[in-house]
Amino acid sequence: DTAVSQTPKYLVTQMGNDKSIKCEQNLGHDTMYWYKQDSKKFLKIMFSYNNKELIINETVPNRFSPKSPDKAHLNLHINSLELGDSAVYFCASSQPGRSTEAFFGQGTRLTVV
Amino acid sequence: QQPVQSPQAVILREGEDAVINCSSSKALYSVHWYRQKHGEAPIFLMILLKGGEQKGHDKISASFNEKKQQSSLYLTASQLSYSGTYFCGTEISSIQGAQKLVFGQGTRLTINP
Repeated sequence: DTAVSQTPKYLVTQMGNDKSIKCEQNLGHDTMYWYKQDSKKFLKIMFSYNNKELIINETVPNRFSPKSPDKAHLNLHINSLELGDSAVYFCASSQPGRSTEAFFGQGTRLTVV
Repeated sequence: QQPVQSPQAVILREGEDAVINCSSSKALYSVHWYRQKHGEAPIFLMILLKGGEQKGHDKISASFNEKKQQSSLYLTASQLSYSGTYFCGTEISSIQGAQKLVFGQGTRLTINP
């Protein structure tokens, strides 16, 4: 049973399209994150949700909109995709307040052509 | 705000030792260490919370200095399976007041037979 699962694993799409990435965790964690990893491997935090509420929104374009229907799910919707959006997107979860480890999903490799 | 890692890359022969450093200009709340293999998700290694703390399992250990501004990861008698990119992470306060987990730029470790 995968702790944090993302779908799809690969996504190839054309510029201008809208796409979504889904994430689910079965660990009972209250906090979920989205990270973007670029070609240089830098892991940059994008969003953080705690119990379905957005608590961190880094300087991410408005084209990116996270949605959390419940605390086990955090989806990422991207409008009007651009070439620069190509990256690997990781979902992660943790239990806040106790400095515990973060568990990552397997990543979604997004390629915009 | 994110910690700075050094070196950026290390190439070793199997059986050699390596040290990866993670530093900050301000005291860190905590230090997390993760390893990411190519095409996979980052996997948690360990977390240090207290100044002067040392932790380890098997031949991978880490220390956190007294001022909590630097941590080092030690890989002893490296094995081929240790290859990957190592990230240190720390929790910092976001503009919204919540804690967020941010990462250093990563250190790529290559172990050759």
